[in-house]
Amino acid sequence: GQQVMQIPQYQHVQEGEDFTTYCNSSTTLSNIQWYKQRPGGHPVFLIQLVKSGEVKKQKRLTFQFGEAKKNSSLHITATQTTDVGTYFCSGGSNYKLTFGKGTLLTVNP
Amino acid sequence: DGGITQSPKYLFRKEGQNVTLSCEQNLNHDAMYWYRQDPGQGLRLIYYSQIVNDFQKGDIAEGYSVSREKKESFPLTVTSAQKNPTAFYLCASSMGLPLSTGELFFGEGSRLTVL
Repeated sequence: GQQVMQIPQYQHVQEGEDFTTYCNSSTTLSNIQWYKQRPGGHPVFLIQLVKSGEVKKQKRLTFQFGEAKKNSSLHITATQTTDVGTYFCSGGSNYKLTFGKGTLLTVNP
Repeated sequence: DGGITQSPKYLFRKEGQNVTLSCEQNLNHDAMYWYRQDPGQGLRLIYYSQIVNDFQKGDIAEGYSVSREKKESFPLTVTSAQKNPTAFYLCASSMGLPLSTGELFFGEGSRLTVL
């Protein structure tokens, strides 16, 4: 079945450093979504990418969808303590969403 | 405010007991989902429903049951047949069909502990 791998599993940074998490699928995806889950909270939708090679930005967050539509990345520039949480990617294929295991980001102030 | 309401937030259950988790949405979404989340794990799909009176098994449906009698409601029953029921359960909904398009809106979750 479809598998979505996400790396790294954990990332600890100093406030102000950049952060990147990567998502790789075993199959070609129709779209990819990114979610953020704060500690003790529930996942909240960040963005959806649909087109091959697509790049979208939300303030300090940059999302990319690979040319082959099998990988994606989320990059945060100059992290802040408010960025703490787990970032999940979710790949859509064959009318099904498969979530990665997430990257837990902690930020040292 | 529109959203998804899950209850209870915390639930304790003795082994051998069934328990039902409630999920209600007022977003007028057609599709609803139940996910299970374990520490350090991603979200795993238990069941989903794209329309009233219809639902499909997800990846880990064994030991669970659902119903979709109303558009707004999608309760999940964790039965005694579920071998490791202690987990965080998340209900979600989406406007779009098919399943893999459209943003998922999540409830705040129900944390089930089996004693």
